[in-house]
Amino acid sequence: GESVGLHLPTLSVQEGDNSIINCAYSNSASDYFIWYKQESGKGPQFIIDIRSNMDKRQGQRVTVLLNKTVKHLSLQIAATQPGDSAVYFCAEPKAGANNLFFGTGTRLTVIP
Amino acid sequence: GAVVSQHPSWVICKSGTSVKIECRSLDFQATTMFWYRQFPKQSLMLMATSNEGSKATYEQGVEKDKFLINHASLTLSTLTVTSAHPEDSSFYICSANRGLANYGYTFGSGTRLTVV
Repeated sequence: GESVGLHLPTLSVQEGDNSIINCAYSNSASDYFIWYKQESGKGPQFIIDIRSNMDKRQGQRVTVLLNKTVKHLSLQIAATQPGDSAVYFCAEPKAGANNLFFGTGTRLTVIP
Repeated sequence: GAVVSQHPSWVICKSGTSVKIECRSLDFQATTMFWYRQFPKQSLMLMATSNEGSKATYEQGVEKDKFLINHASLTLSTLTVTSAHPEDSSFYICSANRGLANYGYTFGSGTRLTVV
């Protein structure tokens, strides 16, 4: 079945630096992934998504890379700002269902 | 954009009482809504799928008689935690699917439940 997990539970970066948050998955049939940002006490907020027919997708200051060979995806945040401090989750649709399965999450702390 | 409103944002209740949490899709109809539970420093875990006009589908290990779900209209799903106990204290989050090709998931702002 699906398994979306993160390599690192916490990540601290200096303001202005780039951040890279990683996610691994186990189901080679997975074809769609979503990155969410969750601030303290709030619900998840959509950041960016990517389908398996793509290797890379860019948004505003964010880029998601998908490596299907090693079943790994990453979220890159350029010029990290204090407002980026949050927990980031990768998620994918649960196999055979229409709900989402969330990874463990990585807490990003931006140091001013 | 799609908005899902969740109410209340926080609630404190006494052990043994029941608490109702509402989840509304404000600008779209949602035949399916999802209820998640999130304990501190943990990920979101799906509790149940709320289906408009039919019974909810519960995940393994979730007591359907304790977590009552009602999806009486296309814009409203409610989760009632019955006979709440301190171990039910958690962050409850609902989401709705607009049914778009990219799944179109939108999440509510969550409800912090504290049972004392």
